[in-house]
Amino acid sequence: KAGVTQTPRYLIKTRGQQVTLSCSPISGHRSVSWYQQTPGQGLQFLFEYFSETQRNKGNFPGRFSGRQFSNSRSEMNVSTLELGDSALYLCASSSGGQNTEAFFGQGTRLTVV
Amino acid sequence: AQSVTQLGSHVSVSEGALVLLRCNYSSSVPPYLFWYVQYPNQGLQLLLKYTSAATLVKGINGFEAEFKKSETSFHLTKPSAHMRDAAEYFCAVSGRGGSYIPTFGRGTSLIVHP
Repeated sequence: KAGVTQTPRYLIKTRGQQVTLSCSPISGHRSVSWYQQTPGQGLQFLFEYFSETQRNKGNFPGRFSGRQFSNSRSEMNVSTLELGDSALYLCASSSGGQNTEAFFGQGTRLTVV
Repeated sequence: AQSVTQLGSHVSVSEGALVLLRCNYSSSVPPYLFWYVQYPNQGLQLLLKYTSAATLVKGINGFEAEFKKSETSFHLTKPSAHMRDAAEYFCAVSGRGGSYIPTFGRGTSLIVHP
């Protein structure tokens, strides 16, 4: 069974640009969550999509957005990049229940210069 | 509301010594609790989870954790550390009946000395 796949693994962008990250969940999983991981803030929840609908949202500005497609693949977009957006972005997929395990991808390392 | 506090951003042990990583939680409803491990340049991998079936939970790689409601704790232990256990460990909590999106602790870096 293939795991969670995130692409690309590494990105370097310039301030003001926008970026799109992709996540392919485990087959059969309908829930995809996104997290931002930084040394200073740890793991911060961005949002969760379930069956193409945003079901939960963290406390991030509107520059951060996402979507989910009918095949459960998800994309995350960050517009008007700031230096502080440099982070490891992790995607996690699960079946969507309360105590179900979240399976994480290897992450996309975004560097904003 | 739910939160997790991991005591100690770094824990250093010798190979073969006991590993103890501390986690205290706060939750307004009975919690689900998780421990994840993250190796360098990797995502997070589930070590174990507590769902109320048993207070002592055994996980992968020889790790276990005990749920203590009176102490609101879920500490992770391993009797004998191996070099390969060196990694970042995260405790997480989610609440029954409410938001099940897990809230993660800040992480504890486990350093294992030969």
